Amino acid sequence: SQQGEEDPQALSIQEGENATMNCSYKTSINNLQWYRQNSGRGLVHLILIRSNEREKHSGRLRVTLDTSKKSSSLLITASRAADTASYFCATDDSGGGADGLTFGKGTHLIIQP
Amino acid sequence: ETGVTQSPTHLIKTRGQQVTLRCSSQSGHNTVSWYQQALGQGPQFIFQYYREEENGRGNFPPRFSGLQFPNYSSELNVNALELDDSALYLCASSLFVSGETQYFGPGTRLLVL
Repeated sequence: SQQGEEDPQALSIQEGENATMNCSYKTSINNLQWYRQNSGRGLVHLILIRSNEREKHSGRLRVTLDTSKKSSSLLITASRAADTASYFCATDDSGGGADGLTFGKGTHLIIQP
Repeated sequence: ETGVTQSPTHLIKTRGQQVTLRCSSQSGHNTVSWYQQALGQGPQFIFQYYREEENGRGNFPPRFSGLQFPNYSSELNVNALELDDSALYLCASSLFVSGETQYFGPGTRLLVL
């Protein structure tokens, strides 16, 4: 079953604008990760934020985590056409055991040139 | 490029048949996880192998089975295929058993007719 949901399901913006995607989850976590997927191919890891961190940056990416609200956001600044893809958040749940990552349904981002 | 490869890229089977999908992990990674991604959904965790032993499993029936070899390559076997097994199958390798960053292959797209 899916852990949570990304919001919005789809987002279309102009090149150069900023894109913000949100993720909500249900259980306690060790970390939360964001992945990108182009055209139904493999996922590419973007960034990992641990449960004791509140914000993290990587290049044009900024991720926030609010464990009290069980939510995270991914901000992509100065978007480019190459950023067009589906973006997924994934949680490593802290329930113990090797149960893999739990993914949301994703946000499909379209950058208009 | 994540260094993780999968074969074949596409496969068509009929209901009731059996299928074997293959994955070659990134060099040095001793943990491999398999995920099923239905169209329009996020990946769902099938199982994880660490040092040739299954050490975690998602909500998938026993007809989904796997193997990991001493060189850390792995296989996913699915018996008695059903129409709902049509999906993109992704393998991901990682250094640790826990839910740290996972490196995904490009996937195998399976169509069951």
